[in-house]
Amino acid sequence: AQTVTQSQPEMSVQEAETVTLSCTYDTSESNYYLFWYKQPPSRQMILVIRQEAYKQQNATENRFSVNFQKAAKSFSLKISDSQLGDTAMYFCAFMIGNTGKLIFGQGTTLQVKP
Amino acid sequence: EAQVTQNPRYLITVTGKKLTVTCSQNMNHEYMSWYRQDPGLGLRQIYYSMNVEVTDKGDVPEGYKVSRKEKRNFPLILESPSPNQTSLYFCATSWGLAGAFIYNEQFFGPGTRLTVL
Repeated sequence: AQTVTQSQPEMSVQEAETVTLSCTYDTSESNYYLFWYKQPPSRQMILVIRQEAYKQQNATENRFSVNFQKAAKSFSLKISDSQLGDTAMYFCAFMIGNTGKLIFGQGTTLQVKP
Repeated sequence: EAQVTQNPRYLITVTGKKLTVTCSQNMNHEYMSWYRQDPGLGLRQIYYSMNVEVTDKGDVPEGYKVSRKEKRNFPLILESPSPNQTSLYFCATSWGLAGAFIYNEQFFGPGTRLTVL
């Protein structure tokens, strides 16, 4: 069975600093995709960044980047220059190709402090 | 405006009273799915549909039913709700071709907060 684990239930960071959220996953599949979703207090699920497993290059979206270690099955999210608006719960998610099925981690609540 | 809508947004009901949560999308997406979110468990998939008339169970389908009679709608039915179905429910959609799924972003609805007393 595929699983996604986020071992940090809560984290905090000072505004303008950098923070890294951890995620590990377990699968025997070779074709899959990884995502980070943000859920602010509004509860809306917002896609932050995605990574195709077959791509070795780490994905980057503005202040957000990932460290994808395929052999270690690790997919961490780095947020640079943290902003107050980054305060949210962050979910790591995994999808096997050709299924559309998303498997989520437990979530990490991030608080950005002024 | 491209969107996924869910109704109702909030619902308090009693054990055993049948209810339906609607999900509708205007993006012509093939794929639709339902998730429930519970503290400490993240989101778990209930049911999904690759296209019209095709549905399949997710990880936690017990106590739920779905139907996909038309592309834009994917209602979630609780025939006899129980307190353990108290949760936050999300509908999500994306492009998807049955048998040859092409990755694309999943768009989530605003969520439905359900409380079963």
